[in-house]
Amino acid sequence: DIVMTQSPDSLAVSLGERATVHCKSSQSVFYRSNNNNYLAWYQQKAGQPPKLLIYWASTRESGVPDRFSGSGSGTDFTLTISSLQTEDVAVYFCQQYYSVPPTFGQGTKVEIK
Amino acid sequence: QVQLRESGPGLVKPSETLSLTCTVSGASISSYYWSWIRQSAGKGLEWIGRIDTGGNTNYNPSLKSRVTISVDTSKNQFSLRLNSLTAADTAVYYCARRSVAGPYNWFDPWGQGILVTVSS
Repeated sequence: DIVMTQSPDSLAVSLGERATVHCKSSQSVFYRSNNNNYLAWYQQKAGQPPKLLIYWASTRESGVPDRFSGSGSGTDFTLTISSLQTEDVAVYFCQQYYSVPPTFGQGTKVEIK
Repeated sequence: QVQLRESGPGLVKPSETLSLTCTVSGASISSYYWSWIRQSAGKGLEWIGRIDTGGNTNYNPSLKSRVTISVDTSKNQFSLRLNSLTAADTAVYYCARRSVAGPYNWFDPWGQGILVTVSS
């Protein structure tokens, strides 16, 4: 199985400031045949299921605010919230879908400082 | 708008079998791939398995010997059975739809989840 490791486990950011979450896979999730990274990001608010934010490492799901962006390739990826809002307080997960079973990172908790 | 809702017991005894059902509304269950995913404090988010449009299944090797996923197209539902339960199976169980963009295992939407506790 591909192991997904996120850092940090938690971070506190002031309102309006940038929040950055990192995700590293134990092997590359880049598929040369279609030039895509098989990496998704989810947001999970307290008491709710995960919600898809980003797929293909950088493609925002419809309706996701543009302050959320994803970047990276191969084994190293980043989720950036450019200007943290109160409604962004949540746990964020990365997930690879390059191989079966799909696997998730352990989550990064984002809070307001 | 596609919605999923899990149902089943919240408490199951060790060594028994868990049976959960996911009811889908807003989409035909025959048109998409569907998965079960669980979330526990100990193991985080763990993909359990999926069923496809032809009723074929694919399971996480870590659970394969204990899992069965099936579909009931007449009720627009799919189900999970997990046997030989232990405390390690205590988790919130989610059902989810696989990507509609193609054969890619990202998940959207998810059900609200159901907490299952394994305890005597």
